[in-house]
Amino acid sequence: EIVLTQSPGTLSLSPGERATLSCRASQSISSSYLAWYQHKPGQAPRLLIFAGSVRDTGIPDRFSGSGSGTDFTLTISRLEPDDFAVYYCQQYGSPPPCTFGQGTKLEIK
Amino acid sequence: QITLKESGPTLVKPTQTLTLTCTFSGFSLSADTVGVGWLRQPPGKALEWLAVIYWDGDERFNPSLKTRLTITRDTSRDQVVLTLTNVDPADSGTYYCAHTQVGPTRRDPFDRWGQGTLVTVSS
Repeated sequence: EIVLTQSPGTLSLSPGERATLSCRASQSISSSYLAWYQHKPGQAPRLLIFAGSVRDTGIPDRFSGSGSGTDFTLTISRLEPDDFAVYYCQQYGSPPPCTFGQGTKLEIK
Repeated sequence: QITLKESGPTLVKPTQTLTLTCTFSGFSLSADTVGVGWLRQPPGKALEWLAVIYWDGDERFNPSLKTRLTITRDTSRDQVVLTLTNVDPADSGTYYCAHTQVGPTRRDPFDRWGQGTLVTVSS
């Protein structure tokens, strides 16, 4: 089973700043099978990025995904108040199960 | 617009069977390439994928839980039901159902999720 490790655990930033979230895999995965989700308390998780860098429908272009091999990054170019949430990466390329990182909490500084 | 909603008991006793229902709208589980999956998140832990059922009846399970899980669909009622037998306090957490649109490899993300339902396993 592929283990995903996200860092940092908590990221404190101000609106307007740039956020860089990391997801490291225990073994190489294809970027075609890497997704990022946003999750706010009491709400449904929201798919932001799939196939490593493709934004889902309606996702603003301030969200971008990149990376390859074992290291992947979610970048939020200019934080807006609505962006403060928990972010998870997911790999879905290996045979079951797909796996998730433990999350990065993005909080307002 | 795709929506999903989980329902079921909030409290289950150890050794009992947990039955959860996902009621969805905005798509049909009879339509090609559609799947509905279940995932859970224990308090303070990572999301864990449990199972998925596809439009053609194909079922996939997390190997670590396969012997305890059942997933069924009722296409006439737009529902997917997950059962987990012999529950333990470690099965406590928020349970989610989610929609996926799959390609030939059936390796795809979950693009729409429900809000989740909190289940506590305790005597």
